[in-house]
Amino acid sequence: QQKVQQSPESLTVSEGAMASLNCTFSDGTSNNFRWYRQHSAKGLEVLVSIFSDGEKEEGRFTAHLNRANLHVSLHIREPQPSDSAVYLCAVSMRSGGSNAKLTFGKGTKLSVKS
Amino acid sequence: GALVYQYPRRTICKSGTSMRMECQAVGFQATSVAWYRQSPQKTFELIALSTVNSAIKYEQNFTQEKFPISHPNLSFSSMTVLNAYLEDRGLYLCGARDWSSYEQYFGPGTRLTVL
Repeated sequence: QQKVQQSPESLTVSEGAMASLNCTFSDGTSNNFRWYRQHSAKGLEVLVSIFSDGEKEEGRFTAHLNRANLHVSLHIREPQPSDSAVYLCAVSMRSGGSNAKLTFGKGTKLSVKS
Repeated sequence: GALVYQYPRRTICKSGTSMRMECQAVGFQATSVAWYRQSPQKTFELIALSTVNSAIKYEQNFTQEKFPISHPNLSFSSMTVLNAYLEDRGLYLCGARDWSSYEQYFGPGTRLTVL
């Protein structure tokens, strides 16, 4: 069964400093990785989707995937106080009906101080 | 664009009663719909995955008897929480997968409070 772990549990950064979040997964055949943001226990906002090793940038958000190391990270450039939220890593297989299941990590709570 | 609506956004029910929540995909055809629950202080757990024209698959600790799901077409799904108790409170998210792109879009969730 897929296990997804995120670190750190919480992170405080100053406005403008780079924020880096980590996610490890257990199933090496996974090929669909997403980072979501959740503000105050509301719905999910997708930030970046990545399917192959390397980097994927979406605005100030960059995901870096290393499947051999079972690791995917999220880097937030020039974070702002409005970026304060819980960041969730989700892992699945990209194709196939039964593989629509996402396994979520427990999240990293990011606080950005001005 | 692809959107997922959920209704209601918030609901309160008495312990032992049931409530139904709905999920509507707009702008795309949802070949599968996944229902998740986020209990207080926890991450999202998959309840069940519903694929049109296939049997609904429930995850361990979740049953059809407790969470019956209807997925009659490619744009609509509903789930009922039967005999809700305190442990059923939380945010219920619907994730609908686009048949053509495999992208999964989430609704804003239905927040269930049980008194």
